[in-house]
Amino acid sequence: KAGVTQTPRYLIKTRGQQVTLSCSPISGHRSVSWYQQTPGQGLQFLFEYFSETQRNKGNFPGRFSGRQFSNSRSEMNVSTLELGDSALYLCASIRGTSGRETQYFGPGTRLLVL
Amino acid sequence: SQKIEQNSEALNIQEGKTATLTCNYTNYSPAYLQWYRQDPGRGPVFLLLIRENEKEKRKERLKVTFDTTLKQSLFHITASQPADSATYLCALNSNDYKLSFGAGTTVTVRA
Repeated sequence: KAGVTQTPRYLIKTRGQQVTLSCSPISGHRSVSWYQQTPGQGLQFLFEYFSETQRNKGNFPGRFSGRQFSNSRSEMNVSTLELGDSALYLCASIRGTSGRETQYFGPGTRLLVL
Repeated sequence: SQKIEQNSEALNIQEGKTATLTCNYTNYSPAYLQWYRQDPGRGPVFLLLIRENEKEKRKERLKVTFDTTLKQSLFHITASQPADSATYLCALNSNDYKLSFGAGTTVTVRA
């Protein structure tokens, strides 16, 4: 079974631009969570989707948004990029329905904001 | 406020020894606790899950304990090898639909 895929793997943007990241979960998994990982803050929860519905959101500004499609693929968008948004963005695919079960992570998208 | 603390940022041990990592939490009532391994530049990889009614769980050279009274989990790597060098993260559910992670402990095993 194929793992979680994230595209693109690397991205360089400038301040003020916007970016869209994509995540394809493991086949059959309907829940997807997104995390931001930085050296200073560690893994921070962004949001979780199940059946196209956002069920939980972390403490991030409204510039961070996401969505999930009917095939469970998910995207996250960051508008008006700031230098502090430089991070590894990780998507996790979850087999169960609660969002709290074992998370299968993708390789991440490394975003650098200049 | 809710907090997950992993004992130290870094742990250096000699090959063959046992590495013991600690995860303490406050203001959580997790139904279960998980441990993940993360290598540089990669996403975390699930290792073990232990439920609140389980005291101990093992998988090959890995052992996890869970004490809900002390609000603590211990993660042991026995007969450690240089290939075990990585960052280890503990995670637990804070509320519905969300898993919260500790900052991680970086283990370096010297040959």
